[in-house]
Amino acid sequence: GAVVSQHPSWVICKSGTSVKIECRSLDFQATTMFWYRQFPKQSLMLMATSNEGSKATYEQGVEKDKFLINHASLTLSTLTVTSAHPEDSSFYICSAIGGGLLMNTEAFFGQGTRLTVV
Amino acid sequence: DAKTTQPPSMDCAEGRAANLPCNHSTISGNEYVYWYRQIHSQGPQYIIHGLKNNETNEMASLIITEDRKSSTLILPHATLRDTAVYYCIVRVAAGGTSYGKLTFGQGTILTVHP
Repeated sequence: GAVVSQHPSWVICKSGTSVKIECRSLDFQATTMFWYRQFPKQSLMLMATSNEGSKATYEQGVEKDKFLINHASLTLSTLTVTSAHPEDSSFYICSAIGGGLLMNTEAFFGQGTRLTVV
Repeated sequence: DAKTTQPPSMDCAEGRAANLPCNHSTISGNEYVYWYRQIHSQGPQYIIHGLKNNETNEMASLIITEDRKSSTLILPHATLRDTAVYYCIVRVAAGGTSYGKLTFGQGTILTVHP
């Protein structure tokens, strides 16, 4: 299947700083990317949907000014956690779906990024 | 997307078949059944999906009842590496604003033991 890569795999940052997480589709053009968050022993919760070249659509309860999403190209989306606090510590996962020959297929997931805010 | 119901946990002996059930009684005619799994501390991995016919690939088989209100994922020869959380998700396959968006339930924790 298609490959989606996240970077970094894990990051530790100080409270109050910002952290950027990258999500790349390595072998296909991702028309849409999704960002999920997963707390320990819980399921994945969708945070936002981003389409290349347009503003992201955030799920209810997700602060768009805190979680900045940029989808500037068909192979890269970034999630920036601004002014991070310990409660933002979580496992962040992206997924991507493609166009063209990859239409009507499953979403492909990155390996996730473990964020710890101290 | 239709809601799904799965048992919280299941055990399976290594080498035996693992049969994971899923109820989706409110599924609509244009909704597919998807299965993903998540191994600890990794992103979800696609397994299989289907509409109404049974499907098989190199990883698993998917059996969907005739009324489409339930399905079963079958791992024919479970290994220790199949220990993971298995998610059954129902969604529209293509088109519309929700395309690609997945709503995860709690899934089934499958533990394969020696």
